[in-house]
Amino acid sequence: SQQGEEDPQALSIQEGENATMNCSYKTSINNLQWYRQNSGRGLVHLILIRSNEREKHSGRLRVTLDTSKKSSSLLITASRAADTASYFCVLKSNYQLIWGAGTKLIIKP
Amino acid sequence: KAGVTQTPRYLIKTRGQQVTLSCSPISGHRSVSWYQQTPGQGLQFLFEYFSETQRNKGNFPGRFSGRQFSNSRSEMNVSTLELGDSALYLCASSLNQGGTYEQYFGPGTRLTVT
Repeated sequence: SQQGEEDPQALSIQEGENATMNCSYKTSINNLQWYRQNSGRGLVHLILIRSNEREKHSGRLRVTLDTSKKSSSLLITASRAADTASYFCVLKSNYQLIWGAGTKLIIKP
Repeated sequence: KAGVTQTPRYLIKTRGQQVTLSCSPISGHRSVSWYQQTPGQGLQFLFEYFSETQRNKGNFPGRFSGRQFSNSRSEMNVSTLELGDSALYLCASSLNQGGTYEQYFGPGTRLTVT
């Protein structure tokens, strides 16, 4: 399968802890994007990292990309209740976007 | 700047009927993509339109079709509805085609087929 595979499928942590989600893939990519989906705000783009980049930051988010291992990770630091959502990695390969099944993150108060 | 709008938000149809969903992208965005999302699943790509032309297509039967107008607004049509077509249909707009830029999603149309 070409799609990104997120790991873990579900993650439950205490508020304030860090959350790490991983995405592995098999195809070559142009870029990799992370999206968040929750019932309140729908699907929202978080961050885009290009194939020639290794790390990007956006606020409490840090994304790494290792093209040699065909994997990416999303780190959310100091988690908050509002971070409860499903997180998807999306691969851009040629002219297609390929979505993973997502990681469900639950932040416990 | 107004976001992506989708109409209607909710729809109930019976098997065998057809349905048309509408999507208005963000002003200036020329790419519109459609996705199907079923409970607990990620997004399944239906198709992408750019400059009124279908650029990419996912693995869905021919009952699913779409089009894009000169103002970039897009419609998606599903004919001969089946129970399995019940899903959230999401539209996303982007500046350019093929995932070069981030996509902005609408709230979706929740279709229930009975």
